Amino acid sequence: DSGVTQTPKHLITATGQRVTLRCSPRSGDLSVYWYQQSLDQGLQFLIQYYNGEERAKGNILERFSAQQFPDLHSELNLSSLELGDSALYFCASRGGGLAGGNEQFFGPGTRLTVL
Amino acid sequence: GNSVTQMEGPVTLSEEAFLTINCTYTATGYPSLFWYVQYPGEGLQLLLKATKADDKGSNKGFEATYRKETTSFHLEKGSVQVSDSAVYFCALSGLAGANSKLTFGKGITLSVRP
Repeated sequence: DSGVTQTPKHLITATGQRVTLRCSPRSGDLSVYWYQQSLDQGLQFLIQYYNGEERAKGNILERFSAQQFPDLHSELNLSSLELGDSALYFCASRGGGLAGGNEQFFGPGTRLTVL
Repeated sequence: GNSVTQMEGPVTLSEEAFLTINCTYTATGYPSLFWYVQYPGEGLQLLLKATKADDKGSNKGFEATYRKETTSFHLEKGSVQVSDSAVYFCALSGLAGANSKLTFGKGITLSVRP
């Protein structure tokens, strides 16, 4: 158990809909990262938050957005869903500062299926 | 930008065989290197890491050495078990801030036969 939790585990929805994925980082970790895993693209970095502020953006579509709340949990919002958005979405957390180490700990993922 | 290249898979081995999975990288500066493992239906678990040149990461019988001269971080295990069957990802990251995201290789599926 990594200490990172994600809900829901599975999500099935229709094209055009909007969903919210939730992530709670390990206790004390300030950074949250979102990744998308698909068969054709592999594991792709989407976005990073640090202590409530956006820190870095990767290959994230404009239809996707995220935020990190004061209690440090994070939500990834996916809207106007398309078939190609079907994927496994992972959240990872990392401790703050050099003393916290630089490895990331992953949650179990949310499997999104868009029909 | 940063990139990670892993050998093509899948790989099928018999139990107790020797395992090598090749990984090379391209990066600016001095990245940290990682191997993550994904068991069927699960998330990614950190297997081992190395943060500077010539460091050797090791865990559960797996080893990898950070080779800056060849920009490589090959994963090895002397005797694989059926329970090692999984997908293995090589990854790198910078130290902090916007560079701290992980860049992954495509992953390789390992199947170990009894």
